[in-house]
Amino acid sequence: QSALTQPASVSGSPGQSITISCTGTSSDVGSYNLVSWYQHYPGKAPKLIIYEGTKRPSGVSDRFSGSKSGNTASLTISGLQAEDEADYSCCSYAGSSTFVVFGGGTKLTVL
Amino acid sequence: QVQLLQSGTEVKEPGASVKVSCKASGYRSTSYGISWVRQAPGQGLEWMGWITVYNGKTNYAQKFQGRVTMTTDTSTSTAYMDLRSLRSDDTAVYYCAGDSGGYVWAFDLWGQGTMVTVSS
Repeated sequence: QSALTQPASVSGSPGQSITISCTGTSSDVGSYNLVSWYQHYPGKAPKLIIYEGTKRPSGVSDRFSGSKSGNTASLTISGLQAEDEADYSCCSYAGSSTFVVFGGGTKLTVL
Repeated sequence: QVQLLQSGTEVKEPGASVKVSCKASGYRSTSYGISWVRQAPGQGLEWMGWITVYNGKTNYAQKFQGRVTMTTDTSTSTAYMDLRSLRSDDTAVYYCAGDSGGYVWAFDLWGQGTMVTVSS
């Protein structure tokens, strides 16, 4: 059981927008603006797509955006493309005792 | 360009130990940290711990304390993760992860992953 809760799967059609939620607690997501999101394909290493909740690394499409409200962070992908079909995981700093927690991952299917 | 290169696939029997290496290239100094993250089949990512390269300070996830040791060799820019008393549920892909600079508790650098299979 992962520390952060994500839906197991989401789906959307090309061109649509989808949102993936990531629910934590006041000890992690709710206390720090240090949520990151990763995209990963089977057999490949994860790729950082959002850091510090809302920021995108250089080279990441602006179709990816992040937000947070209370203990829940969200990743929105707009203008869905077939290549977006992958697993997405959230991650949060959780203080100097636990340090880092991940979500269980969400499988995105582009219909 | 910073890269992380991990050692190859491992197959171990229950009760054994495994040591996975992660060689960093391209860092200009030793002022960086390496985290170890694993993903068991069908499961999510799981953070195991972190080591700061320049002084060897470690922080382990509570779940792994007493069973994991993370070390570094600054002369070869290599980090190591040693996991003992292996069980079948330790079967996973193990990644080393770090950041190229400017990221706080976010990992833009990942090794290619090392598959560890624990089976009798």
